[in-house]
Amino acid sequence: SQKIEQNSEALNIQEGKTATLTCNYTNYSPAYLQWYRQDPGRGPVFLLLIRENEKEKRKERLKVTFDTTLKQSLFHITASQPADSATYLCALHSGGYQKVTFGIGTKLQVIP
Amino acid sequence: GAVVSQHPSWVICKSGTSVKIECRSLDFQATTMFWYRQFPKQSLMLMATSNEGSKATYEQGVEKDKFLINHASLTLSTLTVTSAHPEDSSFYICSAEGDRETQYFGPGTRLLVL
Repeated sequence: SQKIEQNSEALNIQEGKTATLTCNYTNYSPAYLQWYRQDPGRGPVFLLLIRENEKEKRKERLKVTFDTTLKQSLFHITASQPADSATYLCALHSGGYQKVTFGIGTKLQVIP
Repeated sequence: GAVVSQHPSWVICKSGTSVKIECRSLDFQATTMFWYRQFPKQSLMLMATSNEGSKATYEQGVEKDKFLINHASLTLSTLTVTSAHPEDSSFYICSAEGDRETQYFGPGTRLLVL
């Protein structure tokens, strides 16, 4: 069955360092992959989308990589700030009218 | 742009009553809206896909008679939890499809059934 794995344990890093979050998937051929940020008690906020034929995408301090051979996406936040503390969700989409499937998310805590 | 609102943001009700949650796209039209449910420390689970002017498509295991969805206009979809029970207590989130590849989420509605 299709499965998305994110490290459900919290990731604690020091302010200023680069945070790297991992999203692995199995039995899936996504057309594209998305990363969202979710704060407690709030809905997710879209951050980045990367397509299957793209290796890397950047947006300000955010960088996403997508390796369809490893079936993995890495999400990087450089120069992390306490305000980056949140849960980050990866979501996979097979394209067309297929639904989006979300991972459980990784909670990031940036320590001042 | 691309703002989605939900109302109410939280609701407490007695077991057996019905609760209606509204989802509005404020500055764009959404042919398709989605309803999710999220339990603590779990991922978003899609409940149903709502298309304007047609019946909603429910995911496997979601009771269509219990979770009534109406998408009467391009900016409004409603989810009614009928005869709510404590096990229906959850965080309900809607999203609106801006383009085929992006969903814009509402702030969520926390439902507590006593």
